[in-house]
Amino acid sequence: AQSVTQLDSQVPVFEEAPVELRCNYSSSVSVYLFWYVQYPNQGLQLLLKYLSGSTLVKGINGFEAEFNKSQTSFHLRKPSVHISDTAEYFCAVSETSGTYKYIFGTGTRLKVLA
Amino acid sequence: EAGVVQSPRYKIIEKKQPVAFWCNPISGHNTLYWYRQNLGQGPELLIRYENEEAVDDSQLPKDRFSAERLKGVDSTLKIQPAELGDSAVYLCASSTTGRLNTEAFFGQGTRLTVV
Repeated sequence: AQSVTQLDSQVPVFEEAPVELRCNYSSSVSVYLFWYVQYPNQGLQLLLKYLSGSTLVKGINGFEAEFNKSQTSFHLRKPSVHISDTAEYFCAVSETSGTYKYIFGTGTRLKVLA
Repeated sequence: EAGVVQSPRYKIIEKKQPVAFWCNPISGHNTLYWYRQNLGQGPELLIRYENEEAVDDSQLPKDRFSAERLKGVDSTLKIQPAELGDSAVYLCASSTTGRLNTEAFFGQGTRLTVV
């Protein structure tokens, strides 16, 4: 079974400052890793995903994430945030074969302050 | 390309009443998921379909919840009778099948309020 831990439930940050949202996972099998963003009253939109290859993954809206297999982490970063980045961010994993079930963390609410 | 379409967007019902949600996945996506998202939480899988077959319904409360995916395209999730604790956002997602399943696409969700 897989699990995802997002330790920070809320992260306040000033506009144009850098931000890192943390994600750790647990799995006995190979997984794909994802970050989704959810704006108020909206569904989930994929920011980026790690399937294989380079451990640094670039996504939309200037976000990037780095896969660290030894630390079982997949932290999300952005060098300079905007007010419009205020949203809920979810880390998720999916087995590379078998169940194809997406397991989500509890989410991190990013609040960008002016 | 149209995304995953869900309806209704919002629903308010009294407890003990029935309710149904509808989902139309992305064309060509054989895998369909229903997730429930409680306030302040991440989505939790209720049921997963491969075409018409429910391949994972272990988290579906079968005493009151039911789902169907006739013809392997649209899907309906039903709750009967609804309880106060069922208030949540119900998300539908779809993806391709097997080794091509590398991303789930989500609809906007149905926000259910049970009063």
